[in-house]
Amino acid sequence: DAMVIQNPRYQVTQFGKPVTLSCSQTLNHNVMYWYQQKSSQAPKLLFHYYDKDFNNEADTPDNFQSRRPNTSFCFLDIRSPGLGDAAMYLCATSRVGTGGGEQYFGPGTRLTVT
Amino acid sequence: AQKVTQAQTEISVVEKEDVTLDCVYETRDTTYYLFWYKQPPSGELVFLIRRNSFDEQNEISGRYSWNFQKSTSSFNFTITASQVVDSAVYFCALSILTGGGNKLTFGTGTQLKVEL
Repeated sequence: DAMVIQNPRYQVTQFGKPVTLSCSQTLNHNVMYWYQQKSSQAPKLLFHYYDKDFNNEADTPDNFQSRRPNTSFCFLDIRSPGLGDAAMYLCATSRVGTGGGEQYFGPGTRLTVT
Repeated sequence: AQKVTQAQTEISVVEKEDVTLDCVYETRDTTYYLFWYKQPPSGELVFLIRRNSFDEQNEISGRYSWNFQKSTSSFNFTITASQVVDSAVYFCALSILTGGGNKLTFGTGTQLKVEL
């Protein structure tokens, strides 16, 4: 089945230690997104790629970076995780944007910062 | 700026009851899309429905139905004869086109608990 895969499902990192979260998709969608969802809150868009074009949200901290080496893969790098970065990180994909393409979400990676 | 309001933080019902989840949105764009997603305890967001701003037809899919009213900027979701498996957090979201992608603005979610 075509899907969005996120690895690992659970990640523990130390305060200040860089961490990378991975997302891959078999849907061949042009657009890939990263969301941060803190406990009992709505998902919040961090950034997205439209093909190789990177689109950062204005309020996304510089501590968060992303890479998309090819259509299938997208990575979220947190350069110096703080305790406040503990959250669920959701990857999503959609077809080329017309505004109406539904986004398909992966299962998420729950990040713990110790 | 876009805004989605889900005033109901948590709803508890007994199985087989009908339940309606409210969603009110704000946008200045004339072209937009509205979505409902379900997030079970496993964490994955599951797409339920999409509506564009030019289509106010209500929709029914099995036990699920949606009522879209532009006049009141509302997109409410009704589950008929609720079941325990419906227990989840439900998010309403609004999408506009930006940077080639679709920017989803989510409401804060409604936690639905269906008990036996």
